[in-house]
Amino acid sequence: GAVVSQHPSWVICKSGTSVKIECRSLDFQATTMFWYRQFPKQSLMLMATSNEGSKATYEQGVEKDKFLINHASLTLSTLTVTSAHPEDSSFYICSAREGSTSGWAYEQYFGPGTRLTVT
Amino acid sequence: GQQLNQSPQSMFIQEGEDVSMNCTSSSIFNTWLWYKQEPGEGPVLLIALYKAGELTSNGRLTAQFGITRKDSFLNISASIPSDVGIYFCAGQSGYSTLTFGKGTMLLVSP
Repeated sequence: GAVVSQHPSWVICKSGTSVKIECRSLDFQATTMFWYRQFPKQSLMLMATSNEGSKATYEQGVEKDKFLINHASLTLSTLTVTSAHPEDSSFYICSAREGSTSGWAYEQYFGPGTRLTVT
Repeated sequence: GQQLNQSPQSMFIQEGEDVSMNCTSSSIFNTWLWYKQEPGEGPVLLIALYKAGELTSNGRLTAQFGITRKDSFLNISASIPSDVGIYFCAGQSGYSTLTFGKGTMLLVSP
């Protein structure tokens, strides 16, 4: 259980184009999904948090117009990197968390990541 | 955001040895999570801890939630080559976002 998938696993695109990455929770309903970016040999950097049906909350320094996040259903969130540039090349990882009424958040599960290379 | 202090930064050990790593924080957390990440993959949840003092095992892995709620450790017994990877601790309070440590890179030589 608790499987999160991401698609594509890797993508190469030309500078100036847009790329969409999908994140799906396969066996649970994710009321909250997270998008992270990871540089080589570094920890995960949270980009934004999205709750189903609401606008995403972006971390400081993350451009919301560049990294468009949509969380239209309880099992799907998408990250679109618009007008990509070489400096956007990175490993993007989504994460999903099931909702809880107990006051305690359930564990957070991660997708396998998407390697984006912008040429 | 706030970073946890995770140590050691890296470890290079012989197969069969035991491993210990820990995380400390200046803030109290309600949940401690330990993840393992292999190259080119996303982090995989190893152990989740919810109560101060809790000691939980998952196979050869054992993790404890510190009594002060500000620290946690992860032990790996009898390490094997497939234990290689980066281990991250993460702390959480309620519905807050996870705060990650910087990771411990583990290398195991056969």
